[in-house]
Amino acid sequence: DAKTTQPNSMESNEEEPVHLPCNHSTISGTDYIHWYRQLPSQGPEYVIHGLTSNVNNRMASLAIAEDRKSSTLILHRATLRDAAVYYCILRMRFGAGTRLTVKP
Amino acid sequence: DAGITQSPRHKVTETGTPVTLRCHQTENHRYMYWYRQDPGHGLRLIHYSYGVKDTDKGEVSDGYSVSRSKTEDFLLTLESATSSQTSVYFCAISDTLVAGGGETQYFGPGTRLLVL
Repeated sequence: DAKTTQPNSMESNEEEPVHLPCNHSTISGTDYIHWYRQLPSQGPEYVIHGLTSNVNNRMASLAIAEDRKSSTLILHRATLRDAAVYYCILRMRFGAGTRLTVKP
Repeated sequence: DAGITQSPRHKVTETGTPVTLRCHQTENHRYMYWYRQDPGHGLRLIHYSYGVKDTDKGEVSDGYSVSRSKTEDFLLTLESATSSQTSVYFCAISDTLVAGGGETQYFGPGTRLLVL
């Protein structure tokens, strides 16, 4: 089964960019890379997804390595409301994710 | 926000009692899912449904059953609750089956279940 590896936790300062890495070395050619986040006491919410090309939406950007074995979620200006657990997912299998702390 | 509600939001029950959790959607999505979330495990799929009366097992289905008699409702039943089923349960919906493609899931707010 395709697996993802993420750091357990990261810290950021408010209004600075945040780069959340994810390794997925066993990804298959047709697997999309999804990112979800989970705010405290809430269900996960969709952030972004992509297959090969970098993707941008109103929430974030997704940078996918050329060999697709890793990707990076980019929050361009972190706010306190971005503090959450961020999940990098293949085939809707959730791992433990990265807990992002945003400091004022 | 996708129209997904879960009930109850919190429940305390005793070992051996039956428990039913309800997920209700107003989006008319074909696919519905039940996950459980435990510390250190992320979310794990219990069961999913691909239509009325059509369901299938996920990776942690033992001890759980589901039913879907209407498009909008998906029920999760613990026939005889055990302490190992203490968890947070999330319902999700999607337009197309989540299978590694570009599908997006929408999650409900969760039900916190404590089995004593």
